[in-house]
Amino acid sequence: GDSVTQMEGPVTLSEEAFLTINCTYTATGYPSLFWYVQYPGEGLQLLLKATKADDKGSNKGFEATYRKETTSFHLEKGSVQVSDSAVYFCALRTNAGNMLTFGGGTRLMVKP
Amino acid sequence: DGGITQSPKYLFRKEGQNVTLSCEQNLNHDAMYWYRQDPGQGLRLIYYSQIVNDFQKGDIAEGYSVSREKKESFPLTVTSAQKNPTAFYLCASSVAGTGNSYEQYFGPGTRLTVT
Repeated sequence: GDSVTQMEGPVTLSEEAFLTINCTYTATGYPSLFWYVQYPGEGLQLLLKATKADDKGSNKGFEATYRKETTSFHLEKGSVQVSDSAVYFCALRTNAGNMLTFGGGTRLMVKP
Repeated sequence: DGGITQSPKYLFRKEGQNVTLSCEQNLNHDAMYWYRQDPGQGLRLIYYSQIVNDFQKGDIAEGYSVSREKKESFPLTVTSAQKNPTAFYLCASSVAGTGNSYEQYFGPGTRLTVT
């Protein structure tokens, strides 16, 4: 079946550091890929998405590129802020239906 | 403003009682979903509904029930049969069907504590 694997957290960085959160997937066909962010005590918000190979999703300084050859969708940001502290979820949706398969989430903590 | 509302934000119940969590959306979405999130873990799908008066079990449906009598509403009942009901419950909605515009929109969640 479909699955998403994320790097385990927590990831602790100093402000202005470079961020990478790894995400790899297993799926049949050509899935759409998503990154969601969850701030403490809240629901999930879509951060960015990519619907086909080599697409780059970007939002709020975050980027992720859909790499079909490595089945990856790593999240990056050049300079993190304290306000980026949250849990980040990678997810995929296959063309077969409306379901999302989520990774386990990665907690990011940014210190001033 | 369009969005998804869940109420209440915090809910406390005694063991053995059924409890119903509310989820309402005004996004005109056909599909709705319920997820459970445990501390430090990802989301697990409980139930989903693609259209009014129809719903399907997700990965962890045992001990839960739902109804979908209206397009806007998808309440979740946590029954006394659910062994470990304490968790954070998230409701989501989306358009149905395929397409690049697809995304799931999430409500703010309800934290249920059963003692």
